[in-house]
Amino acid sequence: GESVGLHLPTLSVQEGDNSIINCAYSNSASDYFIWYKQESGKGPQFIIDIRSNMDKRQGQRVTVLLNKTVKHLSLQIAATQPGDSAVYFCAELPDRGSTLGRLYFGRGTQLTVWP
Amino acid sequence: EPEVTQTPSHQVTQMGQEVILRCVPISNHLYFYWYRQILGQKVEFLVSFYNNEISEKSEIFDDQFSVERPDGSNFTLKIRSTKLEDSAMYFCASSGINQPQHFGDGTRLSIL
Repeated sequence: GESVGLHLPTLSVQEGDNSIINCAYSNSASDYFIWYKQESGKGPQFIIDIRSNMDKRQGQRVTVLLNKTVKHLSLQIAATQPGDSAVYFCAELPDRGSTLGRLYFGRGTQLTVWP
Repeated sequence: EPEVTQTPSHQVTQMGQEVILRCVPISNHLYFYWYRQILGQKVEFLVSFYNNEISEKSEIFDDQFSVERPDGSNFTLKIRSTKLEDSAMYFCASSGINQPQHFGDGTRLSIL
């Protein structure tokens, strides 16, 4: 079955540094990946997504890298700010040719930004 | 920015009672989902809903669960006879065609 997991449960960085959050997935047929941010008491908030036909996608201060060879996904946050402190989840969608359907979530990485 | 809204934010219910969790998806979205997150665990898929019927459901979504879109704006999850292990955060999500799923802030369900 599908399995999405994270290498590190916690990550602490200094304000202004870059953060890298990693995610491994096991289903080589997975077609679509999303990174979500979850702040305390709130629901998962969409950050960025990527399809399997891409290996990199950039947003505002965030970059997602996809390495299909080793089934690895990463989220890079540039110039990390205190407001970036949250739990970050990667989520995976098996190959369906669309962005619709059941998402499989990883366990999450707690990012803490200290001044 | 449009958002998914869920009510109530916290629901406390006696074991064996019925509970209805409510969601208002983003207005132009057509696909609706329920997920749950037990404390300290992953977010888990429950069910997806499109065109007034269930598209997919997980093994968690047994006969005690049902979903309904009673009107053009609401999407509800009903648990008919709650159990202690139903205690969790329940998240509603919605999406449009070729768009990512957007989540509400959840309902914390506590079963006593």
